[in-house]
Amino acid sequence: SYELTQPPSVSVSPGQTANITCSGDELGTKYGCWYQQKPGQSPVLLIYQHNRRPSGIPERFSGSNSGNTATLTISGTQALDEADYYCHAWDSSRGVFGGGTKLTVL
Amino acid sequence: EVQLVESGGGLVKPGGSLRLSCAASGFTFSFYSMAWVRQAPGKGLEWVSSISGSRSFIYFADSVKGRFTISRDNAKNSLYLDMNNLRPDDTAVYFCARDPSSTAMGHFDSWGLGTLVTVPS
Repeated sequence: SYELTQPPSVSVSPGQTANITCSGDELGTKYGCWYQQKPGQSPVLLIYQHNRRPSGIPERFSGSNSGNTATLTISGTQALDEADYYCHAWDSSRGVFGGGTKLTVL
Repeated sequence: EVQLVESGGGLVKPGGSLRLSCAASGFTFSFYSMAWVRQAPGKGLEWVSSISGSRSFIYFADSVKGRFTISRDNAKNSLYLDMNNLRPDDTAVYFCARDPSSTAMGHFDSWGLGTLVTVPS
């Protein structure tokens, strides 16, 4: 079955850039998206169709996708960005989430 | 304002059944695909099932295929998940999510707060 692999954790200093990767076979050919989930809350859509941002999502969140890897980039990371981040894509009519990455803002 | 409100969760014995509901408001329900996504305690997100607005497309995760059924009533703006032969590893918060695609294979742009299903071992 298809798998998406994310690093379990990423740390970043406030104001710096955080990159969270998501790897999967031929991921670049699939529409990927990213979600943010804070403790005790529902997930929030951050990026869809590789690099499109829903209204209300700050410009500091951006996405890219090439080859087998999708990347979520958070520029000028803020303390409130500390959360779990999940990538998601479809393969053979099955939805697949990555295992999630815990972003710590030190 | 888009609202998705799940209900129907609870404690159920292994092998038992449960029906989850999701009441939608704030948008034209029939125009959207819908999905169920679950999250076991302390774990990540797991896609469960999706259904298109016209019910032409229905998909299930392998882990629930044959045990769970997804349905919708567009007249009542409601989404359902019928869960049978429940197992301890089905224990999770079940989220209802909206999918703006017509194929039920898109992204999830709105989520409910979830309803907890517990199946003790």
